Amino acid sequence: DTGVSQNPRHKITKRGQNVTFRCDPISEHNRLYWYRQTLGQGPEFLTYFQNEAQLEKSRLLSDRFSAERPKGSFSTLEIQRTEQGDSAMYLCASSLVRVNSPLHFGNGTRLTVT
Amino acid sequence: GESVGLHLPTLSVQEGDNSIINCAYSNSASDYFIWYKQESGKGPQFIIDIRSNMDKRQGQRVTVLLNKTVKHLSLQIAATQPGDSAVYFCAENSNPSGGYNKLIFGAGTRLAVHP
Repeated sequence: DTGVSQNPRHKITKRGQNVTFRCDPISEHNRLYWYRQTLGQGPEFLTYFQNEAQLEKSRLLSDRFSAERPKGSFSTLEIQRTEQGDSAMYLCASSLVRVNSPLHFGNGTRLTVT
Repeated sequence: GESVGLHLPTLSVQEGDNSIINCAYSNSASDYFIWYKQESGKGPQFIIDIRSNMDKRQGQRVTVLLNKTVKHLSLQIAATQPGDSAVYFCAENSNPSGGYNKLIFGAGTRLAVHP
């Protein structure tokens, strides 16, 4: 399967701890996106990379959040000092560098902060 | 897996019937639209897309209609099957001149297919 891969699938952590998620995009896709989804809602845009460059960050991405894509392939999303409000599904997507190329999503990492 | 969309509007249909899921979008400048299907515990799965220079596009058992005048999008599923049961989201590109797709998602509709 050459789809978008995310790890771990589930993460339970205590408030105040740091967590890191990983995303491996479809290999030929140079664009990578992070979204967050809470129950009952559609996904919300967090940030976007083209190759290794982070080109846009949403206001939803507080200073506790940092995303990297060091070699333009896989990406990591780190949340420091987690809060209960961070509990959500974190989705990664990738796409080709082409106008109106659809985003292909992974199955997400479900974060629960207790 | 966990439930996606606990309090979403629900469309209930009989197996074999046609389904129509509607969506209103917000930005008259949006130039690209996508429908996604999301099953419990999974990420959104691409179904079909349409550009703003088109009114209709057909795929396998699915048709998307775009009415730019009233900013309305619909997804038609022919001969609905139990495997079509999921939450369906429409998404619009909120960044039409930005060179990449910054998608804004609608609230979602749950499709329940009954045998």
